[in-house]
This record gives sequence, structure tokens and C-alpha cells, in this order.
Amino acid sequence: GENVEQHPSTLSVQEGDSAVIKCTYSDSASNYFPWYKQELGKRPQLIIDIRSNVGEKKDQRIAVTLNKTAKHFSLHITETQPEDSAVYFCAATLGNQFYFGTGTSLTVIP
Amino acid sequence: NAGVTQTPKFQVLKTGQSMTLQCAQDMNHEYMSWYRQDPGMGLRLIHYSVGAGITDQGEVPNGYNVSRSTTEDFPLRLLSAAPSQTSVYFCASSPYQDEQFFGPGTRLTVL
Repeated sequence: GENVEQHPSTLSVQEGDSAVIKCTYSDSASNYFPWYKQELGKRPQLIIDIRSNVGEKKDQRIAVTLNKTAKHFSLHITETQPEDSAVYFCAATLGNQFYFGTGTSLTVIP
Repeated sequence: NAGVTQTPKFQVLKTGQSMTLQCAQDMNHEYMSWYRQDPGMGLRLIHYSVGAGITDQGEVPNGYNVSRSTTEDFPLRLLSAAPSQTSVYFCASSPYQDEQFFGPGTRLTVL
């Protein structure tokens, strides 16, 4: 199967600064890479995704980059706000299965 | 459009008891899956289905059974609950290799 590693496990930033979360995957056949945000006690919700035929995707303050050669992808959040505080999960899809990273707890300090 | 619904929200079981976690979706998605979420371990796939009548094992299937008789419903059965199955369980549905929509979760405690 696939192995997804996610770093860091915790991240604290000052409001207005940028945050970067990185993930690596093991199987080059993986071709869909979503990012989910989970607030405390809530369900995970998709914030951005990228497919293997694209190198970068941006949606307002959020961007994802994918390096297929190195098998890693990253989430970038700019101009962070307190409401960005949550746990973020990356995932890689191999065939019918989604493989999730272990999560990054992001705290934005006002 | 209710999306993905799960029942119950909370459940306490004694070791050895069995129960079924219900999951339903109204988005006509072919793909449905069950995950368990434990602290520091992310979301781990238990079982998944790519359509009615088709199910397969994920990463951590032991102790769980599933069936998919309709597109809408995908129940998860715990055969003989163990304390190691204490967790938060999420059901999700999606089109193939696309955004997964998660249910609200079931918090299960096994004593």
C-alpha cells in the first residue's frame, strides 16, 4: 500500500505569518492529493486538492504544490488568521484507497 | 440534501457486545468508506465500497464487517467489541478519486 508521512505534527505561527505543512508519499502511482481541515470535535472538510498532472494550485490564501519526482506535496497558508487554527491532514489516493497523514495541529496566535 | 449522515453520535459498549454503526448518503456517490480516528494516528481506512454489492478491506479491517446493499447505505458492524476499538468513526462518500464528504462521526467507547 501507500505510506504518507506528514510534518510537522504541531505548528504555531503568529497571526499574519505563513504556515507550511509537508507530506511525502511512497507510491509513484498515487495521483490525487487532497488536504483536509478538521476543527475540534468536527468532521474533516476538504480545503484544497491537487492531481498528479498539476504542479501547483491556489485558492485565495491557500496553495498546494506537488513534486512528483520527489514524491512530496505541501500546503501553504498565507496571512494566517485565528480561524485557521485546526488540525490539517494530507492524503494520497492509490486506486480506490485514501491514505492519510497523521495530521498537523496548527495554532495561530493573535 | 443531507449529505452524509451517521448514527449514533455516541455509543458505549461492553467488551464482547456487537453493534452496527449506520451511514447513509444522498449524493448518489459510488464510493463509500469507513475510517477510525485515533489520537496521533490520523484517519485509518477500515473498509470501503466502490458500489452496491462490492466491498473491500482497508488498512485496519479486523473486527469489523461491512455490506453495501444499496448505493445510499453502508453500515459498519462490530462483531465482538474490544477496548482497542474505542475510537471516533467517520463514514465518507465521494465520486471516484475526488473530494470525500465525511459524516459527523460516531464516538465509540468500549469498556
